[in-house]
Amino acid sequence: EDKVVQSPLSLVVHEGDTVTLNCSYEVTNFRSLLWYKQEKKAPTFLFMLTSSGIEKKSGRLSSILDKKELFSILNITATQTGDSAVYLCAATTDSWGKFQFGAGTQVVVTP
Amino acid sequence: DTAVSQTPKYLVTQMGNDKSIKCEQNLGHDTMYWYKQDSKKFLKIMFSYNNKELIINETVPNRFSPKSPDKAHLNLHINSLELGDSAVYFCASSETGAGGYTFGSGTRLTVV
Repeated sequence: EDKVVQSPLSLVVHEGDTVTLNCSYEVTNFRSLLWYKQEKKAPTFLFMLTSSGIEKKSGRLSSILDKKELFSILNITATQTGDSAVYLCAATTDSWGKFQFGAGTQVVVTP
Repeated sequence: DTAVSQTPKYLVTQMGNDKSIKCEQNLGHDTMYWYKQDSKKFLKIMFSYNNKELIINETVPNRFSPKSPDKAHLNLHINSLELGDSAVYFCASSETGAGGYTFGSGTRLTVV
């Protein structure tokens, strides 16, 4: 059975801290791994990772994929209160874009 | 210009009723999806359509019936609503095989 596991489930940090979110996956016919940020409404796309070892960056966020060990991490540096959200990762398992989502990590950034 | 739009945003209804949620995308994507997000924020795929054809149909009660009149629309009809159907339902679209979903803003369904 395909599964995606995220850790931790939740964390609270102070502004300026760095957070690292983990996502491990066991899926058949893996194609790519995606990270999303979900605040009050729809998840918004952050990164898509298909190759091992290549870091993707967007501002204070970065992510990397390890296809040998079957995991990905999402880093957020110099956190701000606006980073408070649920961060979801998802692994796509076939050519039709069927994604298996993890349960998410709730991040709370306090002033 | 909303890329993926769902209506209604909120839906409160009694058990046993039949309701529909509509979804439209103006991105020119050829694949659309319905996801159910439960109270624990876990997103689970329900259906996927590619160019009006059903390609993914997960283990979902047959009270749920998707309909895609064209590739820009994917509607979800639910018969005989039950309390356990209460959740947020997200529509999404993507280019086939390209990854990267665009999600609608969700429909919060509450069955009382």
